[in-house]
Amino acid sequence: ETGVTQSPTHLIKTRGQQVTLRCSSQSGHNTVSWYQQALGQGPQFIFQYYREEENGRGNFPPRFSGLQFPNYSSELNVNALELDDSALYLCASSLDGGQGAYEQYFGPGTRLTVT
Amino acid sequence: QQQVKQSPQSLIVQKGGISIINCAYENTAFDYFPWYQQFPGKGPALLIAIRPDVSEKKEGRFTISFNKSAKQFSLHIMDSQPGDSATYFCAASQLFSGGYNKLIFGAGTRLAVHP
Repeated sequence: ETGVTQSPTHLIKTRGQQVTLRCSSQSGHNTVSWYQQALGQGPQFIFQYYREEENGRGNFPPRFSGLQFPNYSSELNVNALELDDSALYLCASSLDGGQGAYEQYFGPGTRLTVT
Repeated sequence: QQQVKQSPQSLIVQKGGISIINCAYENTAFDYFPWYQQFPGKGPALLIAIRPDVSEKKEGRFTISFNKSAKQFSLHIMDSQPGDSATYFCAASQLFSGGYNKLIFGAGTRLAVHP
């Protein structure tokens, strides 16, 4: 059984650019959530995907978007990057058996720096 | 009402001692309370979790105590070891309309266990 993997590990972008981050779910999991963790803070929920549809979203603007693929892997896209987008982006996978996806297992994260 | 308040911000414990981290919440709709351990440069790792119908859960050296009436829960690390030195996050979750769960994290506690 493989854990959650994310790519790339680190990324440096310029303000105004666009970025795509990738996540592979843990084997057997069907739900993916994305979180943003600023330095020294707890993770903040961005959105969750289940069966290739976004089924919940946190307080993030529309320039944060995502995809989930039939193999349950996922992408996070951020357009028009701002300096405040610099953070660790975490993907968490879980299994929703019909009563919610409570146990969330995190990947190692992608460190995004916007200059 | 969505916040989870965590204390202390930092904690120093001698090897073999007991580490205690506390969290409080307001939203009575929360129905799942996990604790995560995060090492520098890594993603959070699920340590232990509890549901509100249970007052205590123990896994190895880690114990969650849950007080539903006070809306508080805590993590106890028995026989603390230098390898336990990390940042610990409490979190809370509920099933929202739309069928998604989002974890709401506390601000974190940086634990240092001295030899």
